[in-house]
Amino acid sequence: QSALTQPASVSGSPGQSITISCTGTSSDVGSYNLVSWYQQHPDKAPKLMIYEVTKRPSGVSNRFSGSKSGNTASLTISGLQAEDEAHYYCCSHVNKSSLVFGGGTKLTVL
Amino acid sequence: EVQLLESGGGLVQTGGSLRLSCAASGFNFDRYAMSWVRQAPGKGLEWVSAISGSGGTTYYADAVKGRCTISRDNSQNTLYLQMNSLRADDTAVYYCAKDKWELLPKSIDYWGQGTLVTVSS
Repeated sequence: QSALTQPASVSGSPGQSITISCTGTSSDVGSYNLVSWYQQHPDKAPKLMIYEVTKRPSGVSNRFSGSKSGNTASLTISGLQAEDEAHYYCCSHVNKSSLVFGGGTKLTVL
Repeated sequence: EVQLLESGGGLVQTGGSLRLSCAASGFNFDRYAMSWVRQAPGKGLEWVSAISGSGGTTYYADAVKGRCTISRDNSQNTLYLQMNSLRADDTAVYYCAKDKWELLPKSIDYWGQGTLVTVSS
């Protein structure tokens, strides 16, 4: 199972919005509404930000939103803040048997 | 509060074995699938293995199939990963992770802090 494709890096200024894409195939992203997004700060465990494409866990800011079209899912962060600077990983269920992660995107807040 | 605490990591020689453990608390352990996910130094996340809530079904990534065995003891709320024939590219932080679903690995919602496994000759 090949990793999902994410841009290596994105950047934005405080207050701006950014979008991170996550491209898979018809065996994963395209077939299931089971895409999750995780935020990881340096030397910390990942944290769930979005699950089932669009749902936000309790406690996660509504500045984070998710969407999907075909084989590509997206994470949008609006009103960028300094603490949003981190790595972001997408993840999809695959063929009723496994999970696959994206390669990760480093978000820099300028 | 969901808590996942991994242990068992360390330095092991190439070809050696290691058993990781994950003590879970704060939720009904046997109602959720559990996964192991690893992260090599400076690299991204890689799903390794998962097990259903009952322990009756297991799932493995191709990279570890035949070398690793996932198991759970629901009476002790503990998840395990037995790793054999370890190679240098198994070097990583190994995370224990809880799924939102019971039967299949579909959507991880909680992560442990990780345990470092270093394989060296």
